[in-house]
Amino acid sequence: EVQLVESGGGLVQPGGSLRLSCAASGFTFSTYHMGWVRQAPGKGLEWVANISPSAGALYYVESVRGRFTISRDDAKGSVYLQMNSLRVEDAAAYYCVRDGGQLDYWGQGTLVTVSS
Amino acid sequence: DVVMTQSPLSLPVTLGQPASISCRSSQGLVFSDGNTYLSWFQQRPGQSPRRLIYKASERDSGVPDRFSGSGSGTDFTLKISRVESEDIGVYYCMQGSHWPHTFGQGTRLEIK
Repeated sequence: EVQLVESGGGLVQPGGSLRLSCAASGFTFSTYHMGWVRQAPGKGLEWVANISPSAGALYYVESVRGRFTISRDDAKGSVYLQMNSLRVEDAAAYYCVRDGGQLDYWGQGTLVTVSS
Repeated sequence: DVVMTQSPLSLPVTLGQPASISCRSSQGLVFSDGNTYLSWFQQRPGQSPRRLIYKASERDSGVPDRFSGSGSGTDFTLKISRVESEDIGVYYCMQGSHWPHTFGQGTRLEIK
């Protein structure tokens, strides 16, 4: 059974940093693109970032490029999202997804709150 | 970026009646491998999104056959043949053929 379990969310001040983690299991992690999708409170879904197998290619939505970094550790079956220079508008539930362009599996989400 | 436009944004439906959601993309969604990466997701209240349809018309395992997807090019449709109470939630289309992937605004399905 495929499982994606996020962690690392919390309260951070504007300008601060946070690192989200996603532990994957139930599939051959190293062969899949992985990604992150976020959802601000009461709002719709926004795709955030994607990392290809072997981290050969990285993709970001424009609003986070230069501030967020996606990475992976195939030995640990984990994907990460390092978020720097956080803004109030980055506050959202962040979902880890298996992302081969079709987002077939989602985690339960981890909540990021950005407030002073 | 490819803009995905859903309509309607709110859809009141009587139980047992059909429902239809439209999704239009600002560019064609055929990828270089010949596939069309258009997916539909259901998000029930308080839950993570769940994929229902992929490649425009392929139904995911475990998804009731009352859900169907159709379309090509820039026009896509999700249909529910007979709405049940468990179908309440927000439905999103998403394109995965171009970077960045983009979602529609979401359509809230509610019972009349």
